Amino acid sequence: DTAVSQTPKYLVTQMGNDKSIKCEQNLGHDTMYWYKQDSKKFLKIMFSYNNKELIINETVPNRFSPKSPDKAHLNLHINSLELGDSAVYFCASSQGTGQETQYFGPGTRLLVL
Amino acid sequence: AQSVAQPEDQVNVAEGNPLTVKCTYSVSGNPYLFWYVQYPNRGLQFLLKYITGDNLVKGSYGFEAEFNKSQTSFHLKKPSALVSDSALYFCAVQRGNNFNKFYFGSGTKLNVKP
Repeated sequence: DTAVSQTPKYLVTQMGNDKSIKCEQNLGHDTMYWYKQDSKKFLKIMFSYNNKELIINETVPNRFSPKSPDKAHLNLHINSLELGDSAVYFCASSQGTGQETQYFGPGTRLLVL
Repeated sequence: AQSVAQPEDQVNVAEGNPLTVKCTYSVSGNPYLFWYVQYPNRGLQFLLKYITGDNLVKGSYGFEAEFNKSQTSFHLKKPSALVSDSALYFCAVQRGNNFNKFYFGSGTKLNVKP
């Protein structure tokens, strides 16, 4: 069983479109995250939810909107996609918000044309 | 401000030789330090972490790391490298009680040659 799963794995779309990426974890964790990894492999946190509440919201354009319908799911919706949004987006989860290990999904490779 | 530095973009080592991947950190308060590995087209996998206690931490796949407070370093080591260790390695720091916010280094590509 995959602990943290993401769909889709690949996403190719045109500028201006709206797209969503889904994440699910079956680890029973309370906290989930979205990270963006750019073309130089630099990894930066975007959002974090704990028990469905937003606790981290980095400086991310408001075209990006996370949604957590329950503790096991954290989706990322992106409006009006831009070329610069092309990246790999990773979902992660952890048991709590202390010094907890984060477990990562396989990533969603987004290419905006 | 919290930050992590991985000074080497790439480390090359021959199979069977010891390897070191360097990481230094800057954080206010007690640091919690992590190492992750990323294989091509895969997500990050946890290797090891330092929270408190013994400065030498042992992790997965024979890796270990030493926390050095005076040098603010947390270098990743392995006594004998394998070709299969070739991957991208990330160091991360979290300041205690900061809602689990990780600051990742820029990554170091490890190449182990046969």
